[in-house]
Amino acid sequence: NAGVMQNPRHLVRRRGQEARLRCSPMKGHSHVYWYRQLPEEGLKFMVYLQKENIIDESGMPKERFSAEFPKEGPSILRIQQVVRGDSAAYFCASSLRDRGSEAFFGQGTRLTVV
Amino acid sequence: AQSVTQLDSQVPVFEEAPVELRCNYSSSVSVYLFWYVQYPNQGLQLLLKYLSGSTLVESINGFEAEFNKSQTSFHLRKPSVHISDTAEYFCAVSSQDDKIIFGKGTRLHILP
Repeated sequence: NAGVMQNPRHLVRRRGQEARLRCSPMKGHSHVYWYRQLPEEGLKFMVYLQKENIIDESGMPKERFSAEFPKEGPSILRIQQVVRGDSAAYFCASSLRDRGSEAFFGQGTRLTVV
Repeated sequence: AQSVTQLDSQVPVFEEAPVELRCNYSSSVSVYLFWYVQYPNQGLQLLLKYLSGSTLVESINGFEAEFNKSQTSFHLRKPSVHISDTAEYFCAVSSQDDKIIFGKGTRLHILP
């Protein structure tokens, strides 16, 4: 029973390029979270999705960032025109719909912008 | 809006000594509370959670946390730490909107 799968584990992009981060939730999980982790800042909530629907995107920067969770396939976090400040670890988590369900985390994608 | 405060960014403690990692939350509605642990270069793993019922919850590796509604706290404790407990610990809260909000984390350093 595979856990939450994120790929790639490491991603290097030049300033101005696009970064695509993928997350396959655990089997049977209908909800996906994306978080950004910077040193000394903990985990910052970005977006909360269910299939084909964004539930809460209050943590997403207004520009350049977008997320989707299509009916088929993984959830994608897309960062357009990356800047050095986007360098961070991005974690995906998935959960069941039941209220109070724990979130299961992937290993993260470490984005480095050069 | 919900928020989580972890008062200590780092906690050094000698091996076999007791430890408490503090967590306070704010929420206007009833909450669910979690502690997660993150080992170096890994994702987060659930350590324990409070949903309802007994205010004292335990993990399989000797950690426990107590939900205190009047003090809006969910402190994590272990009576005797081991070198393998070295990690970063995150307190988290969710409520009716299901969004899980994390604190900034506490690094636990075990001293030999």
